[in-house]
Amino acid sequence: GNSVTQMEGPVTLSEEAFLTINCTYTATGYPSLFWYVQYPGEGLQLLLKATKADDKGSNKGFEATYRKETTSFHLEKGSVQVSDSAVYFCALGGDTGFQKLVFGTGTRLLVSP
Amino acid sequence: DAGVIQSPRHEVTEMGQEVTLRCKLISGHNSLFWYRQTMMRGLELLIYFNNNVPIDDSGMPEDRFSAKMPNASFSTLKIQPSEPRDSAVYFCASSLLLRGGLYPPNTGELFFGEGSRLTVL
Repeated sequence: GNSVTQMEGPVTLSEEAFLTINCTYTATGYPSLFWYVQYPGEGLQLLLKATKADDKGSNKGFEATYRKETTSFHLEKGSVQVSDSAVYFCALGGDTGFQKLVFGTGTRLLVSP
Repeated sequence: DAGVIQSPRHEVTEMGQEVTLRCKLISGHNSLFWYRQTMMRGLELLIYFNNNVPIDDSGMPEDRFSAKMPNASFSTLKIQPSEPRDSAVYFCASSLLLRGGLYPPNTGELFFGEGSRLTVL
């Protein structure tokens, strides 16, 4: 079945550092890929998405490129801020009529001033 | 626009008691998902509905758990009797699911509520 593997956290960075959170997936067909973010005490919210190979999703300075050849969707940001501290979830959406997102285990990011 | 509304935000109860969690979907959405989040198991999909019909309840832990959608905008998740291992944050999410066959892929976004934190003593 479909699955998502994320790097273990926490990831600890200083402000303005470069961020990479790795995500790889296993799926049949042509899934969509997502990054969700969860700030403390809140629910998950969509950060960015890509619906087909070579698509790049971007939002709030974050980017991720759908790489079918490496089955990856790594999240990057050139310069993190303290306010980016949160848990980031990679997710895979099925390509059938009923969407059932498969989430990774989440990666906690801690950014210090 | 009102988002997904969950209640209660926090619930503390004793083992054996019945717990009911509530969720109001975003207006116009047709799909409802219940997730459970714990440190040990991460985010788990319990059940999801499309147009008020349960589509997949394979994630429901056991018969003590039940979920309903009495109408298109509201859902409940009930645990009876509750146990300490049910302690978790329960999230409800809604979406507008478009049925278009296999292609193009369904790319609907899930909109999550703020969660209900349940503690069973």
